[in-house]
Amino acid sequence: DVKVTQSSRYLVKRTGEKVFLECVQDMDHENMFWYRQDPGLGLRLIYFSYDVKMKEKGDIPEGYSVSREKKERFSLILESASTNQTSMYLCASSLLARDGRVTIYFGEGSWLTVV
Amino acid sequence: AQKVTQAQTEISVVEKEDVTLDCVYETRDTTYYLFWYKQPPSGELVFLIRRNSFDEQNEISGRYSWNFQKSTSSFNFTITASQVVDSAVYFCALSPSGGYNKLIFGAGTRLAVHP
Repeated sequence: DVKVTQSSRYLVKRTGEKVFLECVQDMDHENMFWYRQDPGLGLRLIYFSYDVKMKEKGDIPEGYSVSREKKERFSLILESASTNQTSMYLCASSLLARDGRVTIYFGEGSWLTVV
Repeated sequence: AQKVTQAQTEISVVEKEDVTLDCVYETRDTTYYLFWYKQPPSGELVFLIRRNSFDEQNEISGRYSWNFQKSTSSFNFTITASQVVDSAVYFCALSPSGGYNKLIFGAGTRLAVHP
């Protein structure tokens, strides 16, 4: 079974803290993603990575950075957490199969509250 | 511009009613994928279906069915004889070609099925 694991399910952090959200996948997928989910807005892409050390900005990268030092791990970093970053964060990984089919797997989500 | 619109914010039905969730998308790509995901209160995203843009066949899976119409850029989802366990937020998403499998999500439709 493919698994995407997010290290923390619930976090409460203070404004100004540096926050790390970790995501690990066990299927050797090339692509990994961080989304944020807010009511009425759906999921929005923050950053994605298509290979080790390769990253690209998504639609809402401001206030975030990412790190992909190993293929299986993709970290989202909030350099200085702010209250408007209180949200649900979802990690995903994807595989483009040889038959062209795309399969995308999501983690369980991390609920971050910044106080 | 690439966009997914789920115009229905919330739908409330009584058990055993049929319900259709609408999804309209915009893309200039000729090759793309469309997805539906279910998000129960626990928060994880549950994959329901993936449709390739070249495959306009409608699909039925148990009580679920999907109607893909390229002419109207719609990919609607129908639940027949709804059950309380169907209560969730449902997301439609678009994955354009050449986009490293990035997903563009609609805002989601919250479905409440009452006994």
